[in-house]
Amino acid sequence: DAGVIQSPRHEVTEMGQEVTLRCKPISGHDYLFWYRQTMMRGLELLIYFNNNVPIDDSGMPEDRFSAKMPNASFSTLKIQPSEPRDSAVYFCASSFLALAAQYFGPGTRLLVL
Amino acid sequence: TQLLEQSPQFLSIQEGENLTVYCNSSSVFSSLQWYRQEPGEGPVLLVTVVTGGEVKKLKRLTFQFGDARKDSSLHITAAQPGDTGLYLCAGRGSSNTGKLIFGQGTTLQVKP
Repeated sequence: DAGVIQSPRHEVTEMGQEVTLRCKPISGHDYLFWYRQTMMRGLELLIYFNNNVPIDDSGMPEDRFSAKMPNASFSTLKIQPSEPRDSAVYFCASSFLALAAQYFGPGTRLLVL
Repeated sequence: TQLLEQSPQFLSIQEGENLTVYCNSSSVFSSLQWYRQEPGEGPVLLVTVVTGGEVKKLKRLTFQFGDARKDSSLHITAAQPGDTGLYLCAGRGSSNTGKLIFGQGTTLQVKP
């Protein structure tokens, strides 16, 4: 079975550009999570969805960040405009139930110059 | 705000040695999970502990949840180079939501 799929795996962009990260959760999983990992702040939850509905977006750093889940098999995290401090590894994870194990994708390594 | 503090942050040991990683908080968690992450990959769940005082074993790894459900430990016996990686603890608040709070992680290097 395919795990969580993320694309692209690496993204290098210039400050001010729009960045879109994509995620396909494991089929049948009702929960989808977006995390950001940096050396300074560790792994932080940005937002999570249940049945395509955003439940908690309190971790979204500012209005430049937005996330959507148009259907059960696809989600996007968009940064517009991007800034150098957004450089990090962004992970998508999914789970079957709220309290079940979360399965992480391989991450997207973002570098904003 | 619930926080989880892990110690030590870095650990470099020789193959065959034992080690313990700690995860502490001033807050109570309904459950706590331990993940391992290898370079270039996402974290992978090792174990979930739910009951205060609970002990779970996974081969050479022993996980314990504190009686008050505010802390946890991971003990590795006879570490091997394959144990090298970033170990993360993650707590779920008493609200029993999908939200996990992650510790900063402990980077373990086991030298052959």
